[in-house]
Amino acid sequence: QVQLQESGPGLVKPSQTLSLTCTVSGASISSGRHFWSWIRQPAGKELEWLGRVYTRGGTNYNPSLKSRVSISVDTSTNQFSLKLTSVTAADTAVYYCAFSGTSPYGMDVWGQGTTVTVSS
Amino acid sequence: SSELTQPPSVSVSPGQTASITCSGDKLGDKYICWYQQRPGQSPVLVIYQDTQRPSGIPDRFSGSNSGNTATLTISGTQAMDEADYYCQAWDGSSYVFGTGTKVTVL
Repeated sequence: QVQLQESGPGLVKPSQTLSLTCTVSGASISSGRHFWSWIRQPAGKELEWLGRVYTRGGTNYNPSLKSRVSISVDTSTNQFSLKLTSVTAADTAVYYCAFSGTSPYGMDVWGQGTTVTVSS
Repeated sequence: SSELTQPPSVSVSPGQTASITCSGDKLGDKYICWYQQRPGQSPVLVIYQDTQRPSGIPDRFSGSNSGNTATLTISGTQAMDEADYYCQAWDGSSYVFGTGTKVTVL
């Protein structure tokens, strides 16, 4: 079955770029018509979807973050990545990657999440 | 993007039925998913495409969606169902999550 694992720095300085990678196992990121998403959750708050990338490289982004978010796929490593520019303390959160396999309208496999803190 | 509103909390006695609503404009025209998130854990999909249960999800979880309201129903609620629940819709260009509901099993 598909498994996802997030990785990246746990601490990012304000105004810098947050970069995270999601490693996929149990499926090829380049096959099938699937969607690969990033979601975040500040402590004690609700989930916020950041964006997704299609198997064929297309993307959709949260309109409120579109100018700062970029998601890409690396088929050679079976990974997809998130970049969030110009971060502030408000970007401190647990970041999850997720997979839409059963239905394109939801996310049926999630990673365990990684905590990113924005602080100087 | 759309806004999805949920009640902050729902309390239920063991064995009883819990209903969690998700309200949004013309929600019945969109497919709704529901996620369960226990403390310190990642969300788990419990309902997709309004009424479908993923493999491994107990049949005490069911969903409906009509008009401006989607509902997740937990029948015969168990202590292990105590968690936060989030609805989620696809609005044509982005996923939108609800505000979340904490279900307490008293």
